[in-house]
Amino acid sequence: ETTLTQSPAFMSATPGDKVTISCKASQDIDDDMNWYQQKPGEAAILLIQEGNLVPGISPRFSGSGYGTDFTLTVNDIESEDAAYYFCLQHDTFPYTFGQGTKLEIK
Amino acid sequence: QVQLQESGPGLVKPSETLSLTCTVSGGSINDHHWSWIRQPPGKGLEWIGYIHYTGTTKYNPSLKSRGTISVDTSKNQFSLKLTSVTAADTAVYYCARDRSIHCGGDCYYYYGMDVWGQGTTVTVSS
Repeated sequence: ETTLTQSPAFMSATPGDKVTISCKASQDIDDDMNWYQQKPGEAAILLIQEGNLVPGISPRFSGSGYGTDFTLTVNDIESEDAAYYFCLQHDTFPYTFGQGTKLEIK
Repeated sequence: QVQLQESGPGLVKPSETLSLTCTVSGGSINDHHWSWIRQPPGKGLEWIGYIHYTGTTKYNPSLKSRGTISVDTSKNQFSLKLTSVTAADTAVYYCARDRSIHCGGDCYYYYGMDVWGQGTTVTVSS
């Protein structure tokens, strides 16, 4: 099973900031990494699929990485970005997730 | 656009069977794979398994064969049954579309979950 180590677990940002969230895989997963945003009571939204911005998602979001190290970057943070973010590897079964990051906006 | 909605009892007694259904609207279940995922309180997400409309399934070994996923194409629904539940099965349960592309025969390329339901809370308690 591929373990994903996501960090940080919690972060606080000010509008206009740039934030980065890391996800490290315990083995090589090529580019088979997705990033999601979830707000309380709502369905999770796919932001980045295999390094590519999903159509309709703000270009303030970007994803990078290959192999074992991956990063989600959010530029020019807005209050609406307050949410829970998590990564998913779909390279090998069982699929596994990062532990998640709660992003608070000051 | 495709939407998913989970339904089922919010309370299940220990040792009994948890049963949930996911209804797919805005698209056909006769495409892609369809997954169940759960998140226990204060813990991370866990993939439970998936089903293809042809009935092919794959499960997370962590379930120790307690889980069964089935599909009803006539209703555009798929379901999860989890037997012999304990308090450890208390979680928010999500259904999701697992985007996949057929590459011939039994070959599929998987892109991971791209559409999720809002989730339903299931508590295991007497």
